[in-house]
Amino acid sequence: AQSVAQPEDQVNVAEGNPLTVKCTYSVSGNPYLFWYVQYPNRGLQFLLKYITGDNLVKGSYGFEAEFNKSQTSFHLKKPSALVSDSALYFCAVRDILRNAGNMLTFGGGTRLMVKP
Amino acid sequence: DVKVTQSSRYLVKRTGEKVFLECVQDMDHENMFWYRQDPGLGLRLIYFSYDVKMKEKGDIPEGYSVSREKKERFSLILESASTNQTSMYLCASSGQGGQEKLFFGSGTQLSVL
Repeated sequence: AQSVAQPEDQVNVAEGNPLTVKCTYSVSGNPYLFWYVQYPNRGLQFLLKYITGDNLVKGSYGFEAEFNKSQTSFHLKKPSALVSDSALYFCAVRDILRNAGNMLTFGGGTRLMVKP
Repeated sequence: DVKVTQSSRYLVKRTGEKVFLECVQDMDHENMFWYRQDPGLGLRLIYFSYDVKMKEKGDIPEGYSVSREKKERFSLILESASTNQTSMYLCASSGQGGQEKLFFGSGTQLSVL
């Protein structure tokens, strides 16, 4: 079985400060890892993904994530937070045991609040 | 831009009613998914389809069924709605391949009274 844990329900950060949203995973074999963001009253939007290669992945809106195999983590980061980054963030891992489709297992979500 | 359209943004139904949630995508994607989103639980997969007339159960299929008669359309059916099915329902689609990202609709907030 595979799973994703987002240990923080909410992260608060001041505008201009760096932010980190944490994610740890458990899979069999090598993971495909994703971050999605959900703005109020919207569906989820893709931010970035790790498939293979460089452990530091860059994505949309200035976000990046670092894959750490030894710690089974894939934390989302941004050097300088904006108020407009306030949203719900989901980490997800691809289910490599299933044969069909591209099913993702999602974490519980972390609400990011950026204050002016 | 890829578009995944869910027919209703808000829906209110009575216990025992049969409920249809419709989803249409315009990118000729093979894979389509239905998730439900509940606070603190994240997204949980109900059903997915990797081709027309093909379907597979996700993690929480009980009380739901699906239909995919055309490639662009994937319907979620609640045979007899219950109050514990009150939730946000999200449809998604993707191309083939494990590296493909999902494209999501805006969601349907279903309330069962």
